[in-house]
Amino acid sequence: AQKVTQAQTEISVVEKEDVTLDCVYETRDTTYYLFWYKQPPSGELVFLIRRNSFDEQNEISGRYSWNFQKSTSSFNFTITASQVVDSAVYFCAFHRSNYGQNFVFGPGTRLSVLP
Amino acid sequence: SQTIHQWPATLVQPVGSPLSLECTVEGTSNPNLYWYRQAAGRGLQLLFYSVGIGQISSEVPQNLSASRPQDRQFILSSKKLLLSDSGFYLCAWSPPSSYEQYFGPGTRLTVT
Repeated sequence: AQKVTQAQTEISVVEKEDVTLDCVYETRDTTYYLFWYKQPPSGELVFLIRRNSFDEQNEISGRYSWNFQKSTSSFNFTITASQVVDSAVYFCAFHRSNYGQNFVFGPGTRLSVLP
Repeated sequence: SQTIHQWPATLVQPVGSPLSLECTVEGTSNPNLYWYRQAAGRGLQLLFYSVGIGQISSEVPQNLSASRPQDRQFILSSKKLLLSDSGFYLCAWSPPSSYEQYFGPGTRLTVT
């Protein structure tokens, strides 16, 4: 069965620090998708990124970057120069390609960025 | 552009009362639709998903049900609420041939 682990339950950093959120997944599939979502205090989940299993290129979007390493089944998320507005719960998620709509979310990491 | 609406935003209901939460999507056709529940401080649990009108798949057996009477409308219901039904209910949609899901603002349900 597929499983997504986010070992860090809560992280606190001071503004302008860099922070990395870890995500490790388990699967026997060769084709799948990985995602990151942000849930700010308002509650709505915001889609951040999708990565398919054949694309191991790292991605950078502004202060956000993602490191996908298939060899270690990890899809880590780094925020550079964190800001107070980055405070949220971040979820990593997994989807088996062509296998219905089974979306598996990790338990989430609560990030607090202190001023 | 596509938007997703959920209502009500908050709801307080007594145990044993019925429930109806509504979700609608605008700006797209034939979306896949989803209902999730998030208990306080916990992750997301997929409750139902639908790939078309009248087509509902249930992921977790419970006293909740879902219906899709129109292409872009998804309703979550219960005949009798339990205390354990309290939580944050999120509706989401995805394009028919894609996998990323886009979430609505959620409904916070408290069963008393």
